[in-house]
Amino acid sequence: GAVVSQHPSWVICKSGTSVKIECRSLDFQATTMFWYRQFPKQSLMLMATSNEGSKATYEQGVEKDKFLINHASLTLSTLTVTSAHPEDSSFYICSAIIPGDGTEAFFGQGTRLTVV
Amino acid sequence: GNSVTQMEGPVTLSEEAFLTINCTYTATGYPSLFWYVQYPGEGLQLLLKATKADDKGSNKGFEATYRKETTSFHLEKGSVQVSDSAVYFCALSDRGWSFGNEKLTFGTGTRLTIIP
Repeated sequence: GAVVSQHPSWVICKSGTSVKIECRSLDFQATTMFWYRQFPKQSLMLMATSNEGSKATYEQGVEKDKFLINHASLTLSTLTVTSAHPEDSSFYICSAIIPGDGTEAFFGQGTRLTVV
Repeated sequence: GNSVTQMEGPVTLSEEAFLTINCTYTATGYPSLFWYVQYPGEGLQLLLKATKADDKGSNKGFEATYRKETTSFHLEKGSVQVSDSAVYFCALSDRGWSFGNEKLTFGTGTRLTIIP
């Protein structure tokens, strides 16, 4: 199946700093990618839909100025957590769908963010 | 809105035991239903899916039947193996998945451990 690579797999940062997470589709072009967040013992919650060449669509309650999403190419979307706080500590996961075959989403390995 | 309620884990079984992980859903339309699996250190992978009522998805010995009358999509396997140890997520998406930008709603995930 298609491969989505997410980097880094884990990161620790200080409060107030920014962290960038990358999501790459390795063997296909993805016009649409999705960013999810998962708190311990809770569901994966969709944060935003990332569209290549246009602005991301954020879910209700997600601060777009805090979670900056850039989908500059057909194989790369980035999520930047700006001015991180301890409450931003979470597991972030991206996924992508092959255009024209939207029956299966392919997921990255996830990124464990810890803000200290 | 849409929601997925999934059996809480962790679940620990002996090898060759019968497995059931319950999943029920709430949706306004006619969703497609999925089970995703996440093995240690890897991204989520599609395990099986069903797109309409009474459909049965199956893969790797796992099965789940789309029950509209009980709004359920329980995952079953007759004889589990140590290699089945993973986290299992039930999910749904609304119709329109083929447009390539549809959203998945996930359950909380169930951690399954199989002991030899």
